[in-house]
Amino acid sequence: DVKVTQSSRYLVKRTGEKVFLECVQDMDHENMFWYRQDPGLGLRLIYFSYDVKMKEKGDIPEGYSVSREKKERFSLILESASTNQTSMYLCASSTNRVRTLAFNQPQHFGDGTRLSIL
Amino acid sequence: GQQLNQSPQSMFIQEGEDVSMNCTSSSIFNTWLWYKQDPGEGPVLLIALYKAGELTSNGRLTAQFGITRKDSFLNISASIPSDVGIYFCAGLKSNFGNEKLTFGTGTRLTIIP
Repeated sequence: DVKVTQSSRYLVKRTGEKVFLECVQDMDHENMFWYRQDPGLGLRLIYFSYDVKMKEKGDIPEGYSVSREKKERFSLILESASTNQTSMYLCASSTNRVRTLAFNQPQHFGDGTRLSIL
Repeated sequence: GQQLNQSPQSMFIQEGEDVSMNCTSSSIFNTWLWYKQDPGEGPVLLIALYKAGELTSNGRLTAQFGITRKDSFLNISASIPSDVGIYFCAGLKSNFGNEKLTFGTGTRLTIIP
């Protein structure tokens, strides 16, 4: 089974802090994704990556950056945390048949990190 | 932006009842996915649909890719307590190498003892 592991289940940080959320997958998947999940809004894509050192903006990239230095690890960075970034953050991975087409295979999700910014 | 209307938003049913939920859009999709999210966990893929009109089952779950490609349906037969959770649809639109995956806002299923 695919295992997507997010380093923290719960995290509390202060406004202005630089926050790192880590995600590791063990299935040699090419694609990795970061979403945030808010009540009534569903899942919204922040960033994704279809290869090492490659990154693409999703629907709501503002205030976030990402890093993919190794295939198995995808990090989400909040450069200067703000209270409106309090949310559930979900990491996902998938394989792909065609490079640069990141969404053509179903995604496997981690259990999420619930981040609170005070 | 692209919208997926998922309904109902919530359901309260008794154990043993059948469940139906759907997602609709004004846009055409190439793939429909259905996920379930248990409390405190990430979404888990239930069913993937790749072709208009396709009907696919996974145990007591059955999902259909609408013939217009603008909608999809999920049915759960003879519900049991472990069916409780939030069900999400997701539609994938692919066009000349441009892809967009959109999630619905979820249907929260509660089973009344």
